[in-house]
Amino acid sequence: DAKTTQPNSMESNEEEPVHLPCNHSTISGTDYIHWYRQLPSQGPEYVIHGLTSNVNNRMASLAIAEDRKSSTLILHRATLRDAAVYYCILRDVRGPTSGTYKYIFGTGTRLKVLA
Amino acid sequence: DSGVTQTPKHLITATGQRVTLRCSPRSGDLSVYWYQQSLDQGLQFLIQYYNGEERAKGNILERFSAQQFPDLHSELNLSSLELGDSALYFCASAGANSPLHFGNGTRLTVT
Repeated sequence: DAKTTQPNSMESNEEEPVHLPCNHSTISGTDYIHWYRQLPSQGPEYVIHGLTSNVNNRMASLAIAEDRKSSTLILHRATLRDAAVYYCILRDVRGPTSGTYKYIFGTGTRLKVLA
Repeated sequence: DSGVTQTPKHLITATGQRVTLRCSPRSGDLSVYWYQQSLDQGLQFLIQYYNGEERAKGNILERFSAQQFPDLHSELNLSSLELGDSALYFCASAGANSPLHFGNGTRLTVT
């Protein structure tokens, strides 16, 4: 399984943009890049995912390097409610009917948002 | 609300005992995943089921087992419990092309 590497922790000021990096140098051509976050005392929640192109949704943006060996989750304006652990994981896109997708979570990046 | 239901929310038991954790996936999701999260640790993948069949295994101990029933709910059985098994256990479900949706977890305390 391809692995991801993230910084253990980051800090941001409220209302400022946050760029959370993820390295996945062994990514294969069939791996989607997924981001999840885990708020305190809750289960993880889906944030965004992409394959090759940059992606935007109401929660965040995902910037994917041209060689796909790294990606960056962008929170455009951090709020106190964005304080969480952010996980970057890879999911093999092959076999949509087989249902065999391993989602291997690392330790993630703990984001602290300062008021 | 993710649509994934886990019961019970809390469980306190003694060493050596056996417990069963239950998960009801989101409507229509065929895949169920189980994860263990110890205090201040990351999520450890345990096992995945798809439409009743085991599809992937992670770092699941031999004392642990799981199954997915015809109605797609899943159970995680933990036996001969040890103090180190105290953790949050999360269940997640997914459709063929949808991301994971997690439940709120079961907090297991082994005393």
